[in-house]
Amino acid sequence: DGGITQSPKYLFRKEGQNVTLSCEQNLNHDAMYWYRQDPGQGLRLIYYSQIVNDFQKGDIAEGYSVSREKKESFPLTVTSAQKNPTAFYLCASKGGDSGANVLTFGAGSRLTVL
Amino acid sequence: ILNVEQSPQSLHVQEGDSTNFTCSFPSSNFYALHWYRWETAKSPEALFVMTLNGDEKKKGRISATLNTKEGYSYLYIKGSQPEDSATYLCAFRKAAGNKLTFGGGTRVLVKP
Repeated sequence: DGGITQSPKYLFRKEGQNVTLSCEQNLNHDAMYWYRQDPGQGLRLIYYSQIVNDFQKGDIAEGYSVSREKKESFPLTVTSAQKNPTAFYLCASKGGDSGANVLTFGAGSRLTVL
Repeated sequence: ILNVEQSPQSLHVQEGDSTNFTCSFPSSNFYALHWYRWETAKSPEALFVMTLNGDEKKKGRISATLNTKEGYSYLYIKGSQPEDSATYLCAFRKAAGNKLTFGGGTRVLVKP
């Protein structure tokens, strides 16, 4: 079955450590996205990529970095510069540029900074 | 940052009652408006994509309308059932680029 796999599901990190969240898709989608959700809030866009080797900052990119070396993979690194990294992180992908294409989401990764 | 607002933030509905809620978005440079349903412990799933002013979409008991000139979309749930309990998210895409900006969501709880 095609889909998006995020790992790990739960992650604990000490302050000052970088951590990388994995996102892999086998849907052959060009565009991939990282969103963050905080309690009581909607999804805020961190980074997105429309094609391999290209990515753009979203609305809250500070303290995060990404890479897009392969079409299937879009890992997100939460660096020590991110002031409030504890959150739920969702990865999504979208095929094609048509306005009718929707996002397919992974199951999410919950990061807790101790 | 684009301003995409959803209201109300949450609502309680009695089983069998109908309800509706709103997503407002910028009325300029419109390209598409998405609706997603996000049930607890699951991933968000797409309900509708709407691209034309006046669009109406329907999926079972759930329907949506779109007014791009004034920048709003309504989502309706007819005869709410407990399985409709979820957070409903709208996402706006403007004409340039692939960026999708979400609203804060409307959390719906249907009480038996």
